[in-house]
Amino acid sequence: DAGVIQSPRHEVTEMGQEVTLRCKPISGHDYLFWYRQTMMRGLELLIYFNNNVPIDDSGMPEDRFSAKMPNASFSTLKIQPSEPRDSAVYFCASSLALDEQYFGPGTRLTVT
Amino acid sequence: AQSVSQHNHHVILSEAASLELGCNYSYGGTVNLFWYVQYPGQHLQLLLKYFSGDPLVKGIKGFEAEFIKSKFSFNLRKPSVQWSDTAEYFCAVNPMDSSYKLIFGSGTRLLVRP
Repeated sequence: DAGVIQSPRHEVTEMGQEVTLRCKPISGHDYLFWYRQTMMRGLELLIYFNNNVPIDDSGMPEDRFSAKMPNASFSTLKIQPSEPRDSAVYFCASSLALDEQYFGPGTRLTVT
Repeated sequence: AQSVSQHNHHVILSEAASLELGCNYSYGGTVNLFWYVQYPGQHLQLLLKYFSGDPLVKGIKGFEAEFIKSKFSFNLRKPSVQWSDTAEYFCAVNPMDSSYKLIFGSGTRLLVRP
């Protein structure tokens, strides 16, 4: 298996623009997680899905952030409009039931 | 609120030195425990995990961790570190409540000098 796939790996955008991050989980995994990593706040869970259904989005910072999982093999995290404070590395992870989470390589987002 | 504390933010060791990284959590119920490692420029990888049974768990690359329930701790150890162990180490806790999510500690940056 190729592991968790994220795209793009790097994204540079201007403040106010819409940003869409993409994730393909490991086939057969039923949980998908979106995390954000910053120097100030460390690794934070934003939202997670079980069988494509959002279970807990309490970590989503504000209404500018939204996440979807239209099917078992694809998820998106969208920021609209983006702000400089959104600059971070965004990780997607997937797992099978209550086992370990497998992380993707991350998307490094820079908002200028 | 549930939290995970890693008190050592930066650790510098020479090769062959012994390593112990502290991890404490605040949750009174049953937990699953994990240590993840992030090598420079790479994504997080699982080092080891504890779900139940023997509280001393062994992971990859010679790492081990001991779960001490009475102390709410899950410290990571390695008897002899190598330069290649330079990385950031994250302790994570999954409280076995109605939801399933990992709560991560703030991480410990380890630098091993050759």
